[in-house]
Amino acid sequence: NAGVTQTPKFQVLKTGQSMTLQCAQDMNHEYMSWYRQDPGMGLRLIHYSVGAGITDQGEVPNGYNVSRSTTEDFPLRLLSAAPSQTSVYFCASIRRQGGYTGELFFGEGSRLTVL
Amino acid sequence: GQQLNQSPQSMFIQEGEDVSMNCTSSSIFNTWLWYKQDPGEGPVLLIALYKAGELTSNGRLTAQFGITRKDSFLNISASIPSDVGIYFCAGRAGGGNKLTFGTGTQLKVEL
Repeated sequence: NAGVTQTPKFQVLKTGQSMTLQCAQDMNHEYMSWYRQDPGMGLRLIHYSVGAGITDQGEVPNGYNVSRSTTEDFPLRLLSAAPSQTSVYFCASIRRQGGYTGELFFGEGSRLTVL
Repeated sequence: GQQLNQSPQSMFIQEGEDVSMNCTSSSIFNTWLWYKQDPGEGPVLLIALYKAGELTSNGRLTAQFGITRKDSFLNISASIPSDVGIYFCAGRAGGGNKLTFGTGTQLKVEL
C-alpha cells in the first residue's frame, strides 16, 4: 500500500515551459487535492476533485489545470511556468469514515523551481 | 476567505520542556486538525478534533477544540529532539472537504 505517490520529487523549469506533476493514490479515496507550500504562507489549495470526472478550483488556481479521469490519478499541469510558481507542491487525498470526512493524507511533495 | 492565525511562528525549546501552540480563526470551524511536517516530507496527521470542547491525546501530544469553535490548541509534553519540525493547524467549516491551513509553527529543540 503506497498511499499517495507524487512524481517527480524535484524539477527545474525555464519560464514558459509546461509540465505535469503526477499524483496517484491506491487507497480508493474519493477526494484528491493539490496544495502549494510557500515560506510563511502555509498550505494553499490549488485545485481539488471530489470524484472521477469532477474538478473544482481552490484558493490559488491561476496558471494550473487539473483533470480526474480515474479515481486513482490527479495530475496537475502547469501551462506556462512562471517564477512565481516556484514552490513545493503537495498532493493529498481524503477517505470518508461514516458521516465524517476523514483525514487528509499527503504525498511527499514535489519541489519545483522555475528560472 | 477564511484565515487561520497560528502562533508562535517559531520557537526554540530545551529538551524536556512542554510546548504549547494555538490557532485562531475569524470564523467557526466544525473540524480542527493538527499536522506535523518533517523536513523534506509531507504533513502527517497528528490529531483530529470533531466536537467543540473535545480534548484528545496522542502519546505526548494533546489537542483541544475550543468551546467557541474558533480556536484550537496543541500541547507537547516533555519534548524530545524528534519533535522538531513544522506543526500546522487546519480547520474545516461546513460539510465540505476543503481545509484552511495555518501558517505553521516551526519547533526547534535544543539538546
